Amino acid sequence: SAVISQKPSRDICQRGTSLTIQCQVDSQVTMMFWYRQQPGQSLTLIATANQGSEATYESGFVIDKFPISRPNLTFSTLTVSNMSPEDSSIYLCSVVGRGTGYEQYFGPGTRLTVT
Amino acid sequence: AQSVTQPDIHITVSEGASLELRCNYSYGATPYLFWYVQSPGQGLQLLLKYFSGDTLVQGIKGFEAEFKRSQSSFNLRKPSVHWSDAAEYFCAVGEANNDMRFGAGTRLTVKP
Repeated sequence: SAVISQKPSRDICQRGTSLTIQCQVDSQVTMMFWYRQQPGQSLTLIATANQGSEATYESGFVIDKFPISRPNLTFSTLTVSNMSPEDSSIYLCSVVGRGTGYEQYFGPGTRLTVT
Repeated sequence: AQSVTQPDIHITVSEGASLELRCNYSYGATPYLFWYVQSPGQGLQLLLKYFSGDTLVQGIKGFEAEFKRSQSSFNLRKPSVHWSDAAEYFCAVGEANNDMRFGAGTRLTVKP
C-alpha cells in the first residue's frame, strides 16, 4: 500500500477566498484522484490527475473552480477557488495500489469549513 | 454505467453479535469490488477486495465478503462485532480504467 499525506488536515476559510490542498505520496504513481465528501455523504470523484497532462474532471466539476496541479509522480494539489459555504466538505486524494485489483489508497483528508 | 447501492443507511448491532452489510452493484462485466471503512475524522481504509477467483474473500479486522454474481451482491460480514467496529462502511465498484464509484455508505453503531 502507499502512504499518503495531506496538508492542511483542516481549515476554516471565509467565502470568496481560495484554499490549496496538498497531497504527497511516498512512492511514484501514475494516477492520482481527488474526491469530495460532503457532510454525511459518500465520496464523489472530482477529477483524475495524471502527471504531465491536464486533469480530467467529472461532470459537475470545472477547472476554474477546482484547478489541479500534478508537477511530478509523487505530488498533487487541488485548489478550491472562490469558496462558498457549499464547498464545506472533506477533500481526499487517493492513488491506485501497485497490486492487482485496482484498489485505491486514500489520504487522511482535508476538512474544509467555509464561513 | 457502474453503480453501487447500499440499502441500509444505519445499522445498530450489539457487541458480540454478527454483522452483515449489504451491497448491490450494477455493472456489465465482472467488476472489481471493494469495501472501505471510515472511522470518525479519519480517511478511508481498505478492508477487502474482489476481482477474480474465490468468491469468498477475507479481509482485515476479521471481515469477509462474498461475491454473488447471480444476485449482483457483495455483502460484508463479521461473525462477532467489537465496539471499535463502529464506523461508516462504503462499498465501491471499479473498472480497469481505475474509475471507482462508491455507495452511499452504511453507518454502524455498536451497542454495549
